Amino acid sequence: TQLLEQSPQFLSIQEGENLTVYCNSSSVFSSLQWYRQEPGEGPVLLVTVVTGGEVKKLKRLTFQFGDARKDSSLHITAAQPGDTGLYLCAGGAGGNEKLTFGTGTRLTIIP
Amino acid sequence: NAGVTQTPKFRILKIGQSMTLQCTQDMNHNYMYWYRQDPGMGLKLIYYSVGAGITDKGEVPNGYNVSRSTTEDFPLRLELAAPSQTSVYFCASRRTGDHSGANVLTFGAGSRLTVL
Repeated sequence: TQLLEQSPQFLSIQEGENLTVYCNSSSVFSSLQWYRQEPGEGPVLLVTVVTGGEVKKLKRLTFQFGDARKDSSLHITAAQPGDTGLYLCAGGAGGNEKLTFGTGTRLTIIP
Repeated sequence: NAGVTQTPKFRILKIGQSMTLQCTQDMNHNYMYWYRQDPGMGLKLIYYSVGAGITDKGEVPNGYNVSRSTTEDFPLRLELAAPSQTSVYFCASRRTGDHSGANVLTFGAGSRLTVL
């Protein structure tokens, strides 16, 4: 069974601060995705990374896939209240129809 | 374009009752999934389907059944509801293929189920 552990589980910071969320596994994934989920809604895809060492930027969000494709990080610069939500990483194995979801990080940005 | 539609949004069941959560998608996606999400947690896969007529178990299938008679619909049935099945249920779909975006899931808004 592939497991994805996210840390921290909860994070509450002031508006304008920077933060990093981690997603770790002992398994190798062919792709890694990050989703954000707001209350009462389903998760929405933020980014997909597929190459070891890959870095993708989405405005103030920077995503990195580990060289060994076992871990990933999400860095937010100058956090804003609109960044509040549950962040989920999800790993895909080549040829596998199923995604394995991480345990989630609940982020709260205080105005 | 509605995407993935789930009904009902909320439901309260008594122990031992049965019900079906409906899921339909209008994107002609072959793959469909049912997940459950317990409070503050990630998603656990209940069942999935790679096409009409084909279903398979996920991590937590006990107490649930599914069918996939059409590409569009993937209902989830609870036969004998138990308090442990209190959760938020999400249906999702994705298209087939090995493109970089092929693993991207489109989720419904969820169905909140409480079993008392």
